[in-house]
Amino acid sequence: GNSVTQMEGPVTLSEEAFLTINCTYTATGYPSLFWYVQYPGEGLQLLLKATKADDKGSNKGFEATYRKETTSFHLEKGSVQVSDSAVYFCALPSNDYKLSFGAGTTVTVRA
Amino acid sequence: DAGITQSPRHKVTETGTPVTLRCHQTENHRYMYWYRQDPGHGLRLIHYSYGVKDTDKGEVSDGYSVSRSKTEDFLLTLESATSSQTSVYFCASRGGHEQYFGPGTRLTVT
Repeated sequence: GNSVTQMEGPVTLSEEAFLTINCTYTATGYPSLFWYVQYPGEGLQLLLKATKADDKGSNKGFEATYRKETTSFHLEKGSVQVSDSAVYFCALPSNDYKLSFGAGTTVTVRA
Repeated sequence: DAGITQSPRHKVTETGTPVTLRCHQTENHRYMYWYRQDPGHGLRLIHYSYGVKDTDKGEVSDGYSVSRSKTEDFLLTLESATSSQTSVYFCASRGGHEQYFGPGTRLTVT
């Protein structure tokens, strides 16, 4: 079935640094791709999504481009803030009704 | 975001006792899910539901049962809690292909 492989981290950055979290996928066809974020003590929230190849999802300064040539959906942010400290999960549908999640990447941003 | 609530938010219980966790959603979503989250294991699917009274097992279903008598409610029961079931439990519902998560229940089994 469809699956994702995600850079595990942890990642520690200084404020205003550039963040990249790698995610590659294996899939039949071109399913939607997602990034979720989990802030400390909270549930997962959908951060952004892309529904077809070459789409770019964006939200809160984060971006990810659905690249079929490299089967990737890397998450990027140009200038991180302390409030971006969280765990980030890449995900895609593993079948019609389930999602397959990456292992999660813990990001810590220092002031 | 979908309105998903979970109760209780925190619970401490003793080994061998039954425990029921509740999930409530207000979006009329057909699919609902229960996950557990543990360090080093990420998110693991316990059970899911594809309609009222329609449920199926996920990857870590042993020791858990579920019930769904109404579209909006999905219950997770630990028939006889064990220490290995100490975890954070998340409920989710599905709209489109996305899943929307509740705030979680932290369960400690002593």
